[in-house]
Amino acid sequence: AQKVTQAQTEISVVEKEDVTLDCVYETRDTTYYLFWYKQPPSGELVFLIRRNSFDEQNEISGRYSWNFQKSTSSFNFTITASQVVDSAVYFCALSEAKAAGNKLTFGGGTRVLVKP
Amino acid sequence: DVKVTQSSRYLVKRTGEKVFLECVQDMDHENMFWYRQDPGLGLRLIYFSYDVKMKEKGDIPEGYSVSREKKERFSLILESASTNQTSMYLCASSLSGRGAYEQYFGPGTRLTVT
Repeated sequence: AQKVTQAQTEISVVEKEDVTLDCVYETRDTTYYLFWYKQPPSGELVFLIRRNSFDEQNEISGRYSWNFQKSTSSFNFTITASQVVDSAVYFCALSEAKAAGNKLTFGGGTRVLVKP
Repeated sequence: DVKVTQSSRYLVKRTGEKVFLECVQDMDHENMFWYRQDPGLGLRLIYFSYDVKMKEKGDIPEGYSVSREKKERFSLILESASTNQTSMYLCASSLSGRGAYEQYFGPGTRLTVT
């Protein structure tokens, strides 16, 4: 069965510090997809990124970057030079290609608090 | 932009009441989902639907049912609300096909059962 673990429940940083969120996944499928979502205080989840299991290239988008390593089953997310607006709960999620309806399995989430 | 709307942001119901949560999406997505979110547990899938009148159980379907009579609308029904169903309920939709498409979420309904 698929599983996603986000070991860090809460991280507190001061503005401009970098913060890395860990995500470890388990799956028996060889084809799968990994996602990160952001949930700001307003409550609505916002899609950030999707990676498939065949693409291990790291990705950078502005202050956000993602490190995908199949060897360690990890898909970590780094916010560089954090800002107060980055305060949110961040979820990592996994979808197996064989899963009906493109179901997602979510991790427990990591709450990030960026203090001014 | 994809828009997913939910009928209420906050809802308070009494134990034993029948509760309807409505979700509507405007992007002609085939897949729709209902999750509940509880602290420390992340999002857990209750039910999903991949077509009109089609539904499948998720990880925690007990105590819930769903209805999808039209493609754009997906309803979650609590037949007899209980206090352990107090939670945040999130609806989502996505395209269907090979590969996993991102899900788009509504703003959530915070349900309190007293």
